[in-house]
Amino acid sequence: EAQLLQSRAEVKKAGESLRIFCEASGFSFSTYWISWVRQMPGKGLEWMGSIFPGDSDTRYSPSFEGHVIISADKSVNTAYLQWSSLEPSDTAIYYCVRPSRPSLRVAFDVWGQGTVVTVSS
Amino acid sequence: ETVMTQSPGTLSVSPGDTATLSCRASQSVRSLLAWYQQKPGQAPRLLIYGASSRATGIPARFVGSGSETEFTLTITSLQSEDSAVYYCQQYYDWPPYTFGQGTKLEIK
Repeated sequence: EAQLLQSRAEVKKAGESLRIFCEASGFSFSTYWISWVRQMPGKGLEWMGSIFPGDSDTRYSPSFEGHVIISADKSVNTAYLQWSSLEPSDTAIYYCVRPSRPSLRVAFDVWGQGTVVTVSS
Repeated sequence: ETVMTQSPGTLSVSPGDTATLSCRASQSVRSLLAWYQQKPGQAPRLLIYGASSRATGIPARFVGSGSETEFTLTITSLQSEDSAVYYCQQYYDWPPYTFGQGTKLEIK
């Protein structure tokens, strides 16, 4: 069974750096685009960007490019989302997701449990 | 960027009734449209892909329809467990993938 296991909740202060992770199991990690999706408190879902672990090809939403970095290490089947300087507006739940097939234009059928990030000022 | 607009924002329906949720795309997304269900404290779950195909394990009560710019999720024989927020998402025009703002379904 394909699974995505995410890192635990984080509480940080504005200006601090952070890297959260998403560990994949039960499928060929290198062949699937892995995406990150943000959900701010009480709000909807926003796609942040995707990475293809096989060659680290990465695509970002214009809304997030330059503010976060998405990376992956295929040797440990893990994707990462990192910030160099957090802002209170980064407070949200972050989900990693996998599409149902190893392709780009495919719906997301596997979701991590989410990582809650809280940033205080 | 393709903007997805869902209506209504909130829908209150009685058990056993039928709920109809709408999703409109600002430009054609062919049939590359998915619906997700999110219950409080849980990650979203894929219900429908390809506008009308049910994901694994999804009951036949959940029916997706539409193409191009107009899509509908119909849920029949509503049960209390269907209370959730439902999101549509297009995956045709990317980057970025875009979601609707969600419809909150309440079971009276």
